[in-house]
Amino acid sequence: DGGITQSPKYLFRKEGQNVTLSCEQNLNHDAMYWYRQDPGQGLRLIYYSQIVNDFQKGDIAEGYSVSREKKESFPLTVTSAQKNPTAFYLCASSIETMNTEAFFGQGTRLTVV
Amino acid sequence: AQSVTQLGSHVSVSEGALVLLRCNYSSSVPPYLFWYVQYPNQGLQLLLKYTSAATLVKGINGFEAEFKKSETSFHLTKPSAHMSDAAEYFCAVSESYGQNFVFGPGTRLSVLP
Repeated sequence: DGGITQSPKYLFRKEGQNVTLSCEQNLNHDAMYWYRQDPGQGLRLIYYSQIVNDFQKGDIAEGYSVSREKKESFPLTVTSAQKNPTAFYLCASSIETMNTEAFFGQGTRLTVV
Repeated sequence: AQSVTQLGSHVSVSEGALVLLRCNYSSSVPPYLFWYVQYPNQGLQLLLKYTSAATLVKGINGFEAEFKKSETSFHLTKPSAHMSDAAEYFCAVSESYGQNFVFGPGTRLSVLP
């Protein structure tokens, strides 16, 4: 079955540590996205990538980093510079044409302890 | 710039009653519009999308939405609510290639027995 896999589903991190969230897709989609979700705030775009080896900052990129070395993979690193990292993180992908929807993974809930 | 507003962060209906979730958008060009549903601790699932082919769009689980350009609206409806419809619903807009989805803040739907 084609889809997007995020791992792990739950992640705990100590303050001051970097942590990497995994996102893999086998849909052959060019575009991939990372969103952060907080209660009452909807989804906010962190980074997106339209093609391998290229990515763009979204609305809240500070304290995060990404890489896109392979078409199917778009990992997100939450660095110690992110002041409030506890949130639900969603990865998505889409075909790089108009009129197409984004497909989402099941999310990773990150908690800083 | 695109934006999406959803009137009512929380809507409650009785089982069997009409569901109406409101979405208004701001876009400088004809948009592509989407409704997604999210169950607790899960990713987003596409309910339906407007692609300019027809103003009344039918989706999964008995939902439909009508695109009204004059009102810049894309409200989601379902004639008869079911307990399983309880979830959070997000309206989203995209003006161009899929790299720029903008999501509304979401509406939590509760279905009362």
